[in-house]
Amino acid sequence: DIQMTQSPSSLSASVGDRVTITCRASQSISSYLSWYQQKPGKAPKLLIYAASSLQSGVPSRFSGGGSGTDFTLSISSLQPEDFATYYCQQSYNSLYTFGQGTKLEIK
Amino acid sequence: VQLQESGPGLVKPSQTLSLTCTVSGGSISSGSSYWSWIRQPAGKGPEWVGRVYPGGSTSYNPSLKGRVTISVDTSQNHFFLKLSSVTAADTAVYYCAREGLSSGYTLFDYWGQGTLVTVSS
Repeated sequence: DIQMTQSPSSLSASVGDRVTITCRASQSISSYLSWYQQKPGKAPKLLIYAASSLQSGVPSRFSGGGSGTDFTLSISSLQPEDFATYYCQQSYNSLYTFGQGTKLEIK
Repeated sequence: VQLQESGPGLVKPSQTLSLTCTVSGGSISSGSSYWSWIRQPAGKGPEWVGRVYPGGSTSYNPSLKGRVTISVDTSQNHFFLKLSSVTAADTAVYYCAREGLSSGYTLFDYWGQGTLVTVSS
């Protein structure tokens, strides 16, 4: 299995801050990386696919980068609705795996 | 496209967990989409369980050690999950999701709201 490791596990920030979350794959996955946002009691929501492509309808303050084994999700100016848990997921092979999550909390 | 899971919320240990995903707003047979089951234990990241193609081909997470079967009924726009010999470790929120394709990249673009399945006697 390809292991996905996110850091940090939790992060405190304020509205208006810029934050970056990191995801590392246990082997090269090219750009086969997606990011999801999950709010309590809800299903994950796709934000980014192909490492840096913004899903339709997702605000442009979200951006993704990286390739190979190291990836980032950045939020340029945090809004109140952005406080949630974020997961990365690889689709390099069909045994899809997710990271353990990064919980973004209000400072 | 909307997805909706249904099935028992409580299953006894050693029994079989059975869930249905109903797809609406589009045909389960249209396009080149696979249809997946994903589960998420409380406080943990999601785990991909397996998927089915409308033609019936399947693939599963080997960690489930042959206990999982996913099938599809295209006439009713449903697909199904069966997980046998369940234990407390199978307690989770179970989601059904569409595996879309964009520029050669697969992605889970539509999800059901999830259903909590608890394994307990």
